[in-house]
Amino acid sequence: EPEVTQTPSHQVTQMGQEVILRCVPISNHLYFYWYRQILGQKVEFLVSFYNNEISEKSEIFDDQFSVERPDGSNFTLKIRSTKLEDSAMYFCASREGSTANYGYTFGSGTRLTVV
Amino acid sequence: TQLLEQSPQFLSIQEGENLTVYCNSSSVFSSLQWYRQEPGEGPVLLVTVVTGGEVKKLKRLTFQFGDARKDSSLHITAAQPGDTGLYLCAGSNYGQNFVFGPGTRLSVLP
Repeated sequence: EPEVTQTPSHQVTQMGQEVILRCVPISNHLYFYWYRQILGQKVEFLVSFYNNEISEKSEIFDDQFSVERPDGSNFTLKIRSTKLEDSAMYFCASREGSTANYGYTFGSGTRLTVV
Repeated sequence: TQLLEQSPQFLSIQEGENLTVYCNSSSVFSSLQWYRQEPGEGPVLLVTVVTGGEVKKLKRLTFQFGDARKDSSLHITAAQPGDTGLYLCAGSNYGQNFVFGPGTRLSVLP
């Protein structure tokens, strides 16, 4: 069964450093997403991406965050200057379509720890 | 902002028991999805419901979407230890991105 692949599975970084989280969505999917889940809290929407541009972003997704699809297969999330409160599981997801009957396929996540 | 609440927050039961978990909102959703998440993994889609009053069955799991499309329930018959996990509901309103509830953490003891 097709999978969404995320790398790395764990990332430890010092506060203020830049990190790039990588995702390979399912090949025939057109809609891409980043969500995060702080330990013990709910899954929170960060950003959606379609047709090589951001289609929607949340209040969490401020100027420190950016997304890119550099080569037609990878989908990356960059955090420019990490803060302690950025520590969370970051999930990439993709969907074949955007209508209600299409569910998300999530990756296994990247656990980001900012120290 | 549309918010989803889930209850109970935690549920611990014995193998073979039946259970129901709930997802509620004051807002109407055009569609609602249920996911199960295991520790260290991403959520896995179980079902999507789009019609008020709709009932879907997935083996021992029965999902219902409320008539007013503001609530949903998940009923598990004869729970097994393999059903242990965090059950998340997520709602969307006509093309907007899905908003997740906080989840119900289910533990099924052998």
